Amino acid sequence: QKEVEQNSGPLSVPEGAIASLNCTYSDRVSQSFFWYRQYSGKSPELIMSIYSNGDKEDGRFTAQLNKASQYVSLLIRDSQPSDSATYLCAVEGGRGSTLGRLYFGRGTQLTVWP
Amino acid sequence: DAGITQSPRHKVTETGTPVTLRCHQTENHRYMYWYRQDPGHGLRLIHYSYGVKDTDKGEVSDGYSVSRSKTEDFLLTLESATSSQTSVYFCAIGNRDLYEQYFGPGTRLTVT
Repeated sequence: QKEVEQNSGPLSVPEGAIASLNCTYSDRVSQSFFWYRQYSGKSPELIMSIYSNGDKEDGRFTAQLNKASQYVSLLIRDSQPSDSATYLCAVEGGRGSTLGRLYFGRGTQLTVWP
Repeated sequence: DAGITQSPRHKVTETGTPVTLRCHQTENHRYMYWYRQDPGHGLRLIHYSYGVKDTDKGEVSDGYSVSRSKTEDFLLTLESATSSQTSVYFCAIGNRDLYEQYFGPGTRLTVT
């Protein structure tokens, strides 16, 4: 069973601050990693994909991947109240029957207060 | 929602009745997935399909069956609904080159 662990939260930050969301995964063979945002009562929305070690930036979002440490993170700069949501980390299975399947963490709830 | 629709969006049914949820996509993706989402468990894969008539089990497949007779439609059937199947069900389609998945709007199912 592939494990994906996220910091349980909830995480609360003031508007304009940096929010840091963390995720660790159990299977070293995984090569593809994703962050989803889910607003209350809505479906998950893909916001970042990362496949290589290092940082990937998209607007106010930066995903960081360290395969040696089996760690992936999401930084949200200049956090806005509209960023308040649950963030899901997903890890692709990597091999055999798990190839192409995503394994999700339980999510971290983020609240950005004005 | 990336050209994905789910029906019905809400359903209340009684224990022991069969229920079918439908997922329809207009993106022509080969891969389709059914998940359930429950508090404390996150998203869990029920079944997935890698082509017409090609399906496989996920991690929580007991009590569920699926069918895919057309690329655009993926059906999830609860043969005899139980209260433990009360959940929110999401369909997703997959970009196999990048392993990205895109989710439909969800179906909230309540089994009484």
